Parts: sequence; C-alpha cells; structure tokens
Amino acid sequence: QKEVEQNSGPLSVPEGAIASLNCTYSDRGSQSFFWYRQYSGKSPELIMSIYSNGDKEDGRFTAQLNKASQYVSLLIRDSQPSDSATYLCAVPDTGFQKLVFGTGTRLLVSP
Amino acid sequence: KAGVTQTPRYLIKTRGQQVTLSCSPISGHRSVSWYQQTPGQGLQFLFEYFSETQRNKGNFPGRFSGRQFSNSRSEMNVSTLELGDSALYLCASSPGQGARDGYTFGSGTRLTVV
Repeated sequence: QKEVEQNSGPLSVPEGAIASLNCTYSDRGSQSFFWYRQYSGKSPELIMSIYSNGDKEDGRFTAQLNKASQYVSLLIRDSQPSDSATYLCAVPDTGFQKLVFGTGTRLLVSP
Repeated sequence: KAGVTQTPRYLIKTRGQQVTLSCSPISGHRSVSWYQQTPGQGLQFLFEYFSETQRNKGNFPGRFSGRQFSNSRSEMNVSTLELGDSALYLCASSPGQGARDGYTFGSGTRLTVV
C-alpha cells in the first residue's frame, strides 16, 4: 500500500507571501502526482499535476517534483486569503486504479 | 461540459436504514471511483468501476456496495447504516482507465446517520 505523507498544519502565511506545501510518498516507482485544493465543506478540486522531475508552473502555482528524494511540493506565490483551504497531495496506486491521498495540509492566509 | 453530478447533496438517515447514492460522470469518462471523507480518516477509497466492472475495492465492510451501468453512471449503496457512516461521499471520474490522469470530483453527498 502506497503511503502519502503531509504535514497537517495549519500553515499560516501573511497575504502576499509564498506558501510552501510539501508531500512525501513511499513508492519510488510512482509516475504521476496531483495537488487538490479543498475548501471547507466543498469537494476536492484538481489544481496541479506533475509527471516529470523539476518544476511546473501554472499562474501563481508551481509544483516541484524530486523523484530521487520522493517528494513533491506546491508553491503558491503572492498568497491570497482566498487560497485558505486544505491542500491534498495524491499519487496513483500500483495499476493506476485509485488515487492515494495524503491527509492534507491546511493553509491559512491572513490579510 | 457538465461536471460530475452527484445526487442527492444531503441526506439524513436513521441507524439501520439503507441508502443509495448516485453519480453521473463527465461525458466520455468511463472510470468512476467512490471515496468516503471524514474529519478523522481523510479520503478513504471505497471502490472503482470501469466498463461496468468493479476493478478495485477498499477496506470497507460488505455493507458498502456499488455498481456501474452501461452509460457509466454509478450508484453506491450502504445497508444497515451505522452512526460511523456519517461522512461526505465523493464520486470522481477520469477519462482513462483509473487514476493515471487524476480525477474530477463531484460535489459530494453529505450523509448524516442519526
């Protein structure tokens, strides 16, 4: 069973700062990685996917993947109060039949 | 393009009753997965269906069951409800076979068992 580990937080950052969220995974053979954002009382929303080592940027979001160290990060630049949510890291299980989720990191952005 | 549709959005049931939840995936998506989310346990995998076949099942008791129809719509059923079944039940669909390309989640069904 693959494991995905995240710090539960909360991670508190001031508005305009960079928020850095981290995730480690147990299966060295993992090929794809996903970040979901979940607002309180809502369902998870896919915000980033990354498949190759290095950085992938999408607007204020950057995903970073380091397969050798088995971690994936999400950076949020110019954090806004509307970014306050729980961020879930997910990795497909062997056979790609399900996503294994971390417990999520709660991010709080203060005005 | 319509997203993943789950019905109903909210449900209150009494212990011992049974419940059926419905999910319509994004048009063209053939893989449907179900998750249970609770504050203490996070997102727990229930089952995954592809082309009407259950390919994977999580560690849940037999009271939890599901099926997928030929149009890819899916239902899950929980019989003999317990208080601990109170949770947000999420359906997710993906375009390919399973989770390789990630999921799109529906809005969920919040089940409260009293």
